[in-house]
Amino acid sequence: QVQLVESGGGLVKPGGSLRLSCAASGFTFSDYYMSWIRQAPGKGLEWVSYISSSGSTIYYADSVKGRFTISRDNAKNSLYLQMNSLRAEDTAVYYCARDGGSGQPGIDYWGQGTLVTVSS
Amino acid sequence: DIQMTQSPSSLSASVGDRVTITCRASQGIRNDLGWYQQKPGKAPKRLIYAASSLQSGVPSRFSGSGSGTEFTLTISSLQPEDFATYYCLQHNSYLFTFGPGTKVDIK
Repeated sequence: QVQLVESGGGLVKPGGSLRLSCAASGFTFSDYYMSWIRQAPGKGLEWVSYISSSGSTIYYADSVKGRFTISRDNAKNSLYLQMNSLRAEDTAVYYCARDGGSGQPGIDYWGQGTLVTVSS
Repeated sequence: DIQMTQSPSSLSASVGDRVTITCRASQGIRNDLGWYQQKPGKAPKRLIYAASSLQSGVPSRFSGSGSGTEFTLTISSLQPEDFATYYCLQHNSYLFTFGPGTKVDIK
């Protein structure tokens, strides 16, 4: 079955950096587009970034553009999010998510999330 | 960017009630929309894709409709396990956007 397991969250000071990882299993990772989505405490969902199956196409929400970098390693079945210049408003649970592709388009599977807290 | 609105923002309903949630897009998105259910402390779960297709394993009391700018999620007979927050997500543009959510709680 599809599994997405995030790691790398934690407490970081404003201006600091953190790298999130997502280990994928149960499907052919290199065939699927992937996204990062976040949810601030008590708030709604916010899409953060998206990467194509080959890694050649990448998009970011305006709120993170220039500070966050998405990447993937298809040989390791892994997705990453490098977060720099972190701000208090980046505090959230970060979810790794799969795009279902042409057959069932849109985000179909989510990981359990990893909490990032930005505070001094 | 495409903006998504949802109504109502919250509702109280009883077991067995029919519930309808509406999502509107600021511009046409064809049927590039999904509906998600989220329970406290859990990741969202997709219920509907392509506006009206039922995700495998999801009970048939859930249904979706709409195209273009207006979409609805209907729960035909609310069950105790359906009390949750529901979100729509458009993926028509490369900047995906979620609706703000609708919280369904017990009357």
